[in-house]
Amino acid sequence: GAGVSQSPSNKVTEKGKDVELRCDPISGHTALYWYRQSLGQGLEFLIYFQGNSAPDKSGLPSDRFSAERTGGSVSTLTIQRTQQEDSAVYLCASSLNGPGSTDTQYFGPGTRLTVL
Amino acid sequence: QKEVEQNSGPLSVPEGAIASLNCTYSDRGSQSFFWYRQYSGKSPELIMSIYSNGDKEDGRFTAQLNKASQYVSLLIRDSQPSDSATYLCAVSSGSARQLTFGSGTQLTVLP
Repeated sequence: GAGVSQSPSNKVTEKGKDVELRCDPISGHTALYWYRQSLGQGLEFLIYFQGNSAPDKSGLPSDRFSAERTGGSVSTLTIQRTQQEDSAVYLCASSLNGPGSTDTQYFGPGTRLTVL
Repeated sequence: QKEVEQNSGPLSVPEGAIASLNCTYSDRGSQSFFWYRQYSGKSPELIMSIYSNGDKEDGRFTAQLNKASQYVSLLIRDSQPSDSATYLCAVSSGSARQLTFGSGTQLTVLP
């Protein structure tokens, strides 16, 4: 079946602009995660959605970052007033996380964000 | 601060040899442990998951977990050039079960 999809695959923007990154999880997966991978910081957790519950935003680096998940499926990560340090690959992952299931996370191909 | 440490590498092994990758973690409440492989420019790909103490084998890969020592390892037998990649150790814990990743070990298998 289809894996996690993300769009766009690449995004180049100017400092100060807003960007939206999209993630479409594996069908039936209730948990959705956003991570960021940058050269200096490795792979770090940003935000977690479980079904229709309130998200765990504990990994968001600043209030310029926000995310939503509509209808328990597709998620959008928004970065406002982008800064050069926001340049990274943004990865989305999903897992089944239902009762009796494992918490294995499967990653999408990522969106490479470059802030000029 | 939850930490996951991996042997820094880079690690080079000849084709056909055993590659050994190691990882330690700080959070004793960690529940699940994963090894991901990441080729340059690609996203992480799940190789192995392990949840209980002992060994778990899948083809040429064996994961080992020792919760008392807070230690996870990955052995790759009969290493192939196509195994050349960065291997990421990841640990899941907490109610969100988000992954905390190590910095990765770059493996090169020499033909």
